[in-house]
Amino acid sequence: EPEVTQTPSHQVTQMGQEVILRCVPISNHLYFYWYRQILGQKVEFLVSFYNNEISEKSEIFDDQFSVERPDGSNFTLKIRSTKLEDSAMYFCASTGSSIYEQYFGPGTRLTVT
Amino acid sequence: AQTVTQSQPEMSVQEAETVTLSCTYDTSENNYYLFWYKQPPSRQMILVIRQEAYKQQNATENRFSVNFQKAAKSFSLKISDSQLGDTAMYFCAFMNWVNNNDMRFGAGTRLTVKP
Repeated sequence: EPEVTQTPSHQVTQMGQEVILRCVPISNHLYFYWYRQILGQKVEFLVSFYNNEISEKSEIFDDQFSVERPDGSNFTLKIRSTKLEDSAMYFCASTGSSIYEQYFGPGTRLTVT
Repeated sequence: AQTVTQSQPEMSVQEAETVTLSCTYDTSENNYYLFWYKQPPSRQMILVIRQEAYKQQNATENRFSVNFQKAAKSFSLKISDSQLGDTAMYFCAFMNWVNNNDMRFGAGTRLTVKP
C-alpha cells in the first residue's frame, strides 16, 4: 500500500540554525499538509499546499516557516532560524481524490538545543 | 472557530472488553467530517474511522464504531474486544466540508489495554 514517507526520522539542531524537513507524499496525491505535535500535546495544523501554492496556513506558520515542492515528489518544510519552542514532532500528510482522508507520514522529531 | 474536546486524558480497559472514548466539538457548520486517529508509541498517525456529518448512520470498521450525535455535537468511539495492540493515543478530529484544508484535533486520550 502506498505511504507517505518523511526524512529524517530525528533531527537535532542548534537554536538559530535553519532546518529542512522532507516529505514524499503518495505519488498521485494533490493536497499536502504539515502538522506539528509538541510533546504531550495535540496535533496542530501548520499549512496546506495545493497547485504549487499555500492554500491555508495557521497562526503558527509565521515568517520563519516556508514550504516548497521543489520537484514532482518532495514536499519540504523549512524553518529559517529555529527556536527552542520549535522542538516537536512534525507530520506531513497528503490527500488525493478522497480529499477528506489524509494519509500521515511517520513524522520527524525535531529537537532544538 | 471549530474546537474539539476530548475530556478523558487517560483510560484503561481489560483485554477483550469494550471501551468508549468521548469527543465533543463545536461548530456552526452543517456539513463536515469527523475522524478518529490512532497514534501508537511509534508516533505514526493512523486513521481509524471517519464519519460524514450528512450521514445519519454511524460508521463502523470491524471492532471500531462511532456514536455520532449531530445535535449534541458528540462523536464517541467504541472499541469492542479490545486488544493489546489498541494501546495508543486516540485523537478525535474535525474537518470542515468547505474548507477541507484545516483539520482540528482534540487533545487526545491515552488508552491502555491491560492483559
